[in-house]
Amino acid sequence: QKEVEQDPGPLSVPEGAIVSLNCTYSNSAFQYFMWYRQYSRKGPELLMYTYSSGNKEDGRFTAQVDKSSKYISLFIRDSQPSDSATYLCAMTRIQGAQKLVFGQGTRLTINP
Amino acid sequence: EPEVTQTPSHQVTQMGQEVILRCVPISNHLYFYWYRQILGQKVEFLVSFYNNEISEKSEIFDDQFSVERPDGSNFTLKIRSTKLEDSAMYFCASRTDTGELFFGEGSRLTVL
Repeated sequence: QKEVEQDPGPLSVPEGAIVSLNCTYSNSAFQYFMWYRQYSRKGPELLMYTYSSGNKEDGRFTAQVDKSSKYISLFIRDSQPSDSATYLCAMTRIQGAQKLVFGQGTRLTINP
Repeated sequence: EPEVTQTPSHQVTQMGQEVILRCVPISNHLYFYWYRQILGQKVEFLVSFYNNEISEKSEIFDDQFSVERPDGSNFTLKIRSTKLEDSAMYFCASRTDTGELFFGEGSRLTVL
């Protein structure tokens, strides 16, 4: 079983729709969870960083963590064509120099 | 806004040649990383670096790879004798004390 599983998509939705992106993980030692946005041939850009179970909101983005189910989500409200990118979930065990483990990434297209 | 900068953006080299990829992490960060992403695949951890030494390395990071922080600002990845399978995007990242990891735009390495 992979440590982090993420549906690669592609996912295509109309502009203005609510987008839901998800990852599951197998290692209960993961404590810190991140969502990155990656445009083609660019570096990952940090969108959301969460530690505890629950929701965290930042503008049109909401990150949700359910540690009991080992399931994390990213919701995008009022999606825009500029949100079209690959979204990567990533997680790590503890702080310090611990590595991030990434999901495969979900390719998202928002259609005008 | 401070950012991680990487040079070169693209390097083409012949198999067997040495390559050095350079990074300037964000100035007050103490943890540094190299990741790579083969085209179409997930972002993979290579090595983490803290307090002038390697903290962790993956099985990809074999004897052909080395990292160095030659001065107070630069962080380099050297590949001694490149192979075809080293062709990838290489991302440098640096981390805050609170755990957020920020990536550079990447250096694309093409080995012929």
